[in-house]
Amino acid sequence: KAGVTQTPRYLIKTRGQQVTLSCSPISGHRSVSWYQQTPGQGLQFLFEYFSETQRNKGNFPGRFSGRQFSNSRSEMNVSTLELGDSALYLCASSSSGVNTEAFFGQGTRLTVV
Amino acid sequence: GEDVEQSLFLSVREGDSSVINCTYTDSSSTYLYWYKQEPGAGLQLLTYIFSNMDMKQDQRLTVLLNKKDKHLSLRIADTQTGDSAIYFCAERDTGGFKTIFGAGTRLFVKA
Repeated sequence: KAGVTQTPRYLIKTRGQQVTLSCSPISGHRSVSWYQQTPGQGLQFLFEYFSETQRNKGNFPGRFSGRQFSNSRSEMNVSTLELGDSALYLCASSSSGVNTEAFFGQGTRLTVV
Repeated sequence: GEDVEQSLFLSVREGDSSVINCTYTDSSSTYLYWYKQEPGAGLQLLTYIFSNMDMKQDQRLTVLLNKKDKHLSLRIADTQTGDSAIYFCAERDTGGFKTIFGAGTRLFVKA
């Protein structure tokens, strides 16, 4: 069974640009969550999607957005990139998202220069 | 509010036991997790425990939960150099739709 796949693995962008990251969950999983990991802030929850609906959202500015498709794949978008957006972005999938195990992908390392 | 706290560093000798501690604030959390992150990698789920359990053992890993004190610990028996990593304690919020992570404990294993 394939794990959670995140693409791309590495990305370098300049300030002001926008970026889209992709996450393919484990087959059969319908919940996808996104997290930002930085040395200073640790792992911060961005948002969670289930069956194409956002069920929860963390405390991030509106520049951070996401969506989920009917095949459960999810994308997150960051517009008007800032240097502080440099981080490892992790995606987790779970079967229903309610008190179940969440499996993480390898992450996308975004560097904003 | 929701918060999970862990000590930042732990150093042990190979073959010794490691104990990583964590405290959490959300008493209604029903699942508590331990994840492992190796350099350059994502998070690997090591084990989890239901809030109605006191202990869970899985090979070299033992999880102890003191729900009254909101204290969770992970014991790694016979620690190996390959166990060197960052270990994250995490709780599921009451709605179940997000996971709150601690800052992570960096485990150093000396040969």
